[in-house]
Amino acid sequence: EVQLVESGGGLVQPGGSLRLSCAASGFTFSSYWMSWVRQAPGKGLEWVANIKQDGGDKYYVDSVKGRFTISRDNAKNSLYLQMNSLRAEDTAVYYCATYCSATSCDLGMRFDYWGQGTLVTVSS
Amino acid sequence: DIQMTQSPSSLSASVGDRVTITCRASQGISNYLVWFQQKPGKAPKPLIYAASSLQSGVPSRFSGSGSGTDFTLTISSLQPEDFATYYCQQYKSYPVTFGQGTRLEIK
Repeated sequence: EVQLVESGGGLVQPGGSLRLSCAASGFTFSSYWMSWVRQAPGKGLEWVANIKQDGGDKYYVDSVKGRFTISRDNAKNSLYLQMNSLRAEDTAVYYCATYCSATSCDLGMRFDYWGQGTLVTVSS
Repeated sequence: DIQMTQSPSSLSASVGDRVTITCRASQGISNYLVWFQQKPGKAPKPLIYAASSLQSGVPSRFSGSGSGTDFTLTISSLQPEDFATYYCQQYKSYPVTFGQGTRLEIK
């Protein structure tokens, strides 16, 4: 069974930092592009970042460029999101998700598996 | 950036109704579109990929169509478990973008 378990969320002051982690199991983690997607309270979904299987390519939404860094450790089956210079508008549930594998990318599948999410609250 | 616009934003319907949700892209995205269902407090669940292919395990009452800029998600006969929020999402180019969501409520 595929499992993605996020951790590291919490309350942080504006300007502060937080590191989210996502522990993956039940699939070949190193075969997948991975993503972070967030959802502000009562709002819609917003893609945050993607990272390629080997960590060589990374993409970010403009609003987090220069502040957030996505990374992965394939040996530990883990995905990370380092968040610096946090703002009130970064308050959201952050989801870890599989973006696609070599096979599923070609089929057009995206975001097949999701974690339960971790809440990040930026407030003084 | 490619903007995705869903209509309607909310919809009231009854069990057994046929429902259609529309998603429009601000530029052509071929068939690079996914539809998701999200229930309160839960992660989104993919329903349709590549605009019209049914995700494994999703009931056949769900269907998707469209190409280019205009897409639809149709539920042929609403069931009680279908009341949720639905999102479209394009993956033609970065940044990946979602529609604003369509909330489907019980009439």
